[in-house]
Amino acid sequence: KNEVEQSPQNLTAQEGEFITINCSYSVGISALHWLQQHPGGGIVSLFMLSSGKKKHGRLIATINIQEKHSSLHITASHPRDSAVYICAVRGIYGGSQGNLIFGKGTKLSVKP
Amino acid sequence: DAGVTQSPTHLIKTRGQQVTLRCSPKSGHDTVSWYQQALGQGPQFIFQYYEEEERQRGNFPDRFSGHQFPNYSSELNVNALLLGDSALYLCASRKQGGGGYTFGSGTRLTVV
Repeated sequence: KNEVEQSPQNLTAQEGEFITINCSYSVGISALHWLQQHPGGGIVSLFMLSSGKKKHGRLIATINIQEKHSSLHITASHPRDSAVYICAVRGIYGGSQGNLIFGKGTKLSVKP
Repeated sequence: DAGVTQSPTHLIKTRGQQVTLRCSPKSGHDTVSWYQQALGQGPQFIFQYYEEEERQRGNFPDRFSGHQFPNYSSELNVNALLLGDSALYLCASRKQGGGGYTFGSGTRLTVV
């Protein structure tokens, strides 16, 4: 079992829809990151969370430390939101201490 | 303010050859991590450099080695290339002790 699991793996939405991507992890963490990766590979950091909720424009990220779960929400989705969204956690124990452990990503496609 | 710069962007090598990838961290960052991302997968941690020393290492063979220079830039070297080394190699930098990661656009390595 992977230490970071994301769901769904693939998501197709119509423009304007509300989107939720989920991330569950099984290790102790100091922070959780939501990242966006466009075709071609470059990764952009969207959020870094250690508790609660953060909002930036149409994006909202939440984390529940007790349940080891985080969600990324996109309101009023747009075709330009189409990308792979990756959840990554920064471990605090053992070999993963201080390093990022990545989920496999959720490929989002928003149709006009 | 330049972010993380990686070079080259694309590279084609023959099996058995050696390759060197380069990374310049974001201004003010002193810690550099390298990740390998196979097609359709999340990035996997290779190693991290801080103060010119390898501080942590993921589950990669000794064919993968690195270096960090006094100006905090870093190199990733892979010897005796295998077909399975074909991947996107990502560099990420941060300030030791806190703060988020900044990612480069990656180097796409193809081994033929």
